Amino acid sequence: GIQVEQSPPDLILQEGANSTLRCNFSDSVNNLQWFHQNPWGQLINLFYIPSGTKQNGRLSATTVATERYSLLYISSSQTTDSGVYFCAVENSGGYQKVTFGTGTKLQVIP
Amino acid sequence: DAGVTQSPTHLIKTRGQQVTLRCSPKSGHDTVSWYQQALGQGPQFIFQYYEEEERQRGNFPDRFSGHQFPNYSSELNVNALLLGDSALYLCASSLGAGGLSYEQYFGPGTRLTVT
Repeated sequence: GIQVEQSPPDLILQEGANSTLRCNFSDSVNNLQWFHQNPWGQLINLFYIPSGTKQNGRLSATTVATERYSLLYISSSQTTDSGVYFCAVENSGGYQKVTFGTGTKLQVIP
Repeated sequence: DAGVTQSPTHLIKTRGQQVTLRCSPKSGHDTVSWYQQALGQGPQFIFQYYEEEERQRGNFPDRFSGHQFPNYSSELNVNALLLGDSALYLCASSLGAGGLSYEQYFGPGTRLTVT
């Protein structure tokens, strides 16, 4: 099956710093979604981004499907950004199961 | 606009027992997917229900079964519980079936502990 690797696995940032999270996938995908899982376990939608670039406030994401990766940018990080960030993909070829990445655990310190 | 709701929030069961978890989709959504998330890992896809039928299934044994009702709500049933079934069970809803063909929205989850 498709492999979805995220990097870095862990990240500690000072409040106000910027960061880039990466999601690599081993096969072509139809769709991709980014989530933030807060400390209570709730998965929060960030971006639905099969291709191209989207921005929402301090966050933006870019997916280059032909090169099999997606990036999530966090600018001016805040302590509330702490948690685990997951990308999830649906691989192409009529096999429409969803595979989540390995996750990036982010801690933003004051 | 009500989001995805799940019940119960927490549950403790004994090995060998059976459990039923419930999910109500976001208003206007007709598709429900279930995921299992073990501690420290990403969610694993169990199955997806659309039009009251199972449409896709992940690599989970037949002990895991589900149901979707005419009002689009769904149940996840797990029989003969094992210690390894302890996890956070997440429900996601979307408008339309098929993997991530439509954006998925997640509920708060049910934390299942098997002793």
